Amino acid sequence: AQSVAQPEDQVNVAEGNPLTVKCTYSVSGNPYLFWYVQYPNRGLQFLLKYITGDNLVKGSYGFEAEFNKSQTSFHLKKPSALVSDSALYFCAVRGRSNFNKFYFGSGTKLNVKP
Amino acid sequence: DTGVSQNPRHKITKRGQNVTFRCDPISEHNRLYWYRQTLGQGPEFLTYFQNEAQLEKSRLLSDRFSAERPKGSFSTLEIQRTEQGDSAMYLCASSQPSDTQYFGPGTRLTVL
Repeated sequence: AQSVAQPEDQVNVAEGNPLTVKCTYSVSGNPYLFWYVQYPNRGLQFLLKYITGDNLVKGSYGFEAEFNKSQTSFHLKKPSALVSDSALYFCAVRGRSNFNKFYFGSGTKLNVKP
Repeated sequence: DTGVSQNPRHKITKRGQNVTFRCDPISEHNRLYWYRQTLGQGPEFLTYFQNEAQLEKSRLLSDRFSAERPKGSFSTLEIQRTEQGDSAMYLCASSQPSDTQYFGPGTRLTVL
């Protein structure tokens, strides 16, 4: 079975500091991993994805994520946080036998304080 | 705006009433998905369409739920005899085959 875990319900960081939002996955074979962001009362916005290739993936709004196969992790990072980055972040893995099903983590609320 | 759109954005209904939501996907996407998101949780897969064919339904989709995509374009999700436990955000997404799913703004359902 495929699943992702986001071990932190909330992450607090000061504006200008680097941020990390953690995600670990459980999937047989090579995973297809995604990060989405959700602002209040809005749908999910795609940030980035890892399919294959470089372990460091760059995405929208200055975000990047590092795929680590040995640690089965796909942490989201940004070198310098903005107050406007405050939102709910979801990690997702695409199903292996069913490419059309995404499995989402429970989400991490990021609070960036001025 | 060429993204995924959903209507209505909010729906308040009384228990036992029927409700219908609409999703318009990105025009060139032949895959369309419905998810449900409850407070504090990530989206949970409900069903998906390839063109007009409904190819998979989650066990979450009880007999009171039905989804259609009659011409392979827009889709509707109907909930009959709503229950308070149906209160959630209903998200629609679309994609090209085996590609990134792009989400609409969602329809927030409140069942009183």
